[in-house]
Amino acid sequence: EAGVTQFPSHSVIEKGQTVTLRCDPISGHDNLYWYRRVMGKEIKFLLHFVKESKQDESGMPNNRFLAERTGGTYSTLKVQPAELEDSGVYFCASSQSGQGILFYNSPLHFGNGTRLTVT
Amino acid sequence: AQSVTQLDSHVSVSEGTPVLLRCNYSSSYSPSLFWYVQHPNKGLQLLLKYTSAATLVKGINGFEAEFKKSETSFHLTKPSAHMSDAAEYFCVVGNTDKLIFGTGTRLQVFP
Repeated sequence: EAGVTQFPSHSVIEKGQTVTLRCDPISGHDNLYWYRRVMGKEIKFLLHFVKESKQDESGMPNNRFLAERTGGTYSTLKVQPAELEDSGVYFCASSQSGQGILFYNSPLHFGNGTRLTVT
Repeated sequence: AQSVTQLDSHVSVSEGTPVLLRCNYSSSYSPSLFWYVQHPNKGLQLLLKYTSAATLVKGINGFEAEFKKSETSFHLTKPSAHMSDAAEYFCVVGNTDKLIFGTGTRLQVFP
């Protein structure tokens, strides 16, 4: 079984530019999550898709961040325009469908992350 | 609100000696707790999880953790460290459909 795949693995952009991160979840996984870890801080939740719908986007830092999951398969996370404080590692995770507390019986599978550097 | 605190940012051990990574949690109700590990340039991997079935939880690669409600702790242990255990370890508490991570403990293993 292929794991969660994230592209690119690294991205270096200048402040003010746009970057789009992509996540391909495990096939058949309805739940898709984005997390990020900015330098020196803990990993924080950004948002959660169930299929193509945003279940919870309470962790999105501001309106410069836009996540989509058209068709309920892969997801993109766009940062526009990027700021210096957006630098960090962006993780994607997926899990199978379930009810309630999803990941207790359906573990999260994480990708290797995208390291974003904004200069 | 739920949270976890990892008491050590770095831990160094010699190969073959025990490992102890400390974690305290805060939760107003019975928590679901996890330990994840991240090896360099890899994704986060679930080591073990506690969901109230048993207080001593066994995970992969010889790791285990004990849930102690009286101490609000969920420390991760391993009897004998291996070089391949060198990685960053995260204590995590589950909150419905999202995970709340600790700041991580980097484990170094010396030969």
